[in-house]
Amino acid sequence: GQQLNQSPQSMFIQEGEDVSMNCTSSSIFNTWLWYKQDPGEGPVLLIALYKAGELTSNGRLTAQFGITRKDSFLNISASIPSDVGIYFCAGLLFSGNTPLVFGKGTRLSVIA
Amino acid sequence: DAGITQSPRHKVTETGTPVTLRCHQTENHRYMYWYRQDPGHGLRLIHYSYGVKDTDKGEVSDGYSVSRSKTEDFLLTLESATSSQTSVYFCASRPGQGIWNQPQHFGDGTRLSIL
Repeated sequence: GQQLNQSPQSMFIQEGEDVSMNCTSSSIFNTWLWYKQDPGEGPVLLIALYKAGELTSNGRLTAQFGITRKDSFLNISASIPSDVGIYFCAGLLFSGNTPLVFGKGTRLSVIA
Repeated sequence: DAGITQSPRHKVTETGTPVTLRCHQTENHRYMYWYRQDPGHGLRLIHYSYGVKDTDKGEVSDGYSVSRSKTEDFLLTLESATSSQTSVYFCASRPGQGIWNQPQHFGDGTRLSIL
C-alpha cells in the first residue's frame, strides 16, 4: 500500500529555534495535511494544502505542497514550549473512497 | 470541530471478552474511520465507512469488526479481545458528496487495556 516517509522521527530543540520536518511519498497526492497531537488528545488539523506549489501559513507555522505532489514540509518558527507534541503529515488521493495515508509522526520536544 | 464523541474514554477488560467502542458525530459526515495508535507505529487504519452500511477494511483489520447503521454512529467491535489489542483508539470523520478533499477531524480517543 501507499506509505509516507516522515522525518525526522524525533527532535529536541531549544526554545526560540526554528523547526523543519518533511514527508515524502512514492505516490502523488492531491491534498496534503498536517496534524498536531498533544499528549492524551486526538490529532488536530494545523494546515491543509490543496495545490502543488502552494505555501500556506498558520501563525508561526508554514507548510508547502511540493511541486511534484510527492512531498510536503512543515516549518515552525521561533518554537515555544507549547509546540511540544507529535506532528503527523497525511496525504489524500481522491480515488473513490481511498482514505488518508499518514506518516508515522515527528515527536517534537522543546527545551526551555 | 466535527463534534466527534468517543465512548468510553477508558476501558479495562480481560482477554477473551467482547468489547465495543462507539464513535458519534454530529456533522452529518459521510466518511468515518477507526484508527489505533501504538508507540512506533503512528496511526494505523483499522476499518472505515463511506456511508451507512458501507464499510471497508484498513491495514490492521484482523480481529476487529465494524457497523454503521446510522450516519452519526460508527461502532468498532473486538469480538474476543486479546492483549495485542491494548492500544489507544481514535475515530475520525470527514464530509463527502462534493467536498471530497475536506480534512478529517479526530475524536479524543479511547484508551483500551486488555489484561
